[in-house]
Amino acid sequence: EVQLVESGGGLVQPGGSLRLSCAVSGFTFSSYSMNWVRQAPGKGLEWVSYISSSSSTTYYADSVKGRFTISRDNAKNSLYLQMNSLRAEDTAVYYCARDTAVVAVDYWGQGTLVTVSS
Amino acid sequence: DIQMTQSPSTLSASVGDRVTITCRASQSISSWLAWYQQKPGKAPKLLIHKASSLESGVPSRFSGSGSGTEFTLTITSLQPDDFATYYCQQYNSYSRTFGQGTKVEIK
Repeated sequence: EVQLVESGGGLVQPGGSLRLSCAVSGFTFSSYSMNWVRQAPGKGLEWVSYISSSSSTTYYADSVKGRFTISRDNAKNSLYLQMNSLRAEDTAVYYCARDTAVVAVDYWGQGTLVTVSS
Repeated sequence: DIQMTQSPSTLSASVGDRVTITCRASQSISSWLAWYQQKPGKAPKLLIHKASSLESGVPSRFSGSGSGTEFTLTITSLQPDDFATYYCQQYNSYSRTFGQGTKVEIK
């Protein structure tokens, strides 16, 4: 069974940093690209970042470029999102999601809530 | 980046109605479009990929069509379980942008 489990969310002050993790199981992690997608309270889905299976390619939404860094450790079956210089508008549930070139984003975690507030 | 525009933002319908949601891309994305259903407090669920390919286990009342820049999601005979928010997403580029969502409400 495919499972993606996010962790690392919480309350952080504006300007602070947080590192999200996503532990995966049930599939060959090293064969798949991955994404982070977020959803602010009461708002729609916003794609945040993409990383290829080998980490050779990464992309970011303009809203987080220069502040967030996506990475992965294929030996640990884990995906990460380092978030720096956090702003109130970064408050959201953050989902990690498996990506395929043909089928799109097919599996999602349950999400972890990040709240940026003083 | 490719922009995705969904319409309508909200749709009021009754059980048994036929419902159509439109998604437009700011440039051609061929057929690289997916549709998701999301219920409150839950992660999105993939319904359709490559514009018209139904995911395994998704009821056949859901269908997708389109290519290039204009796409539709159709639900024939809306069921109580279908009241939710629907999102389109392009995956023609690595920036996997979403539409803003369409909330299907009970009339």
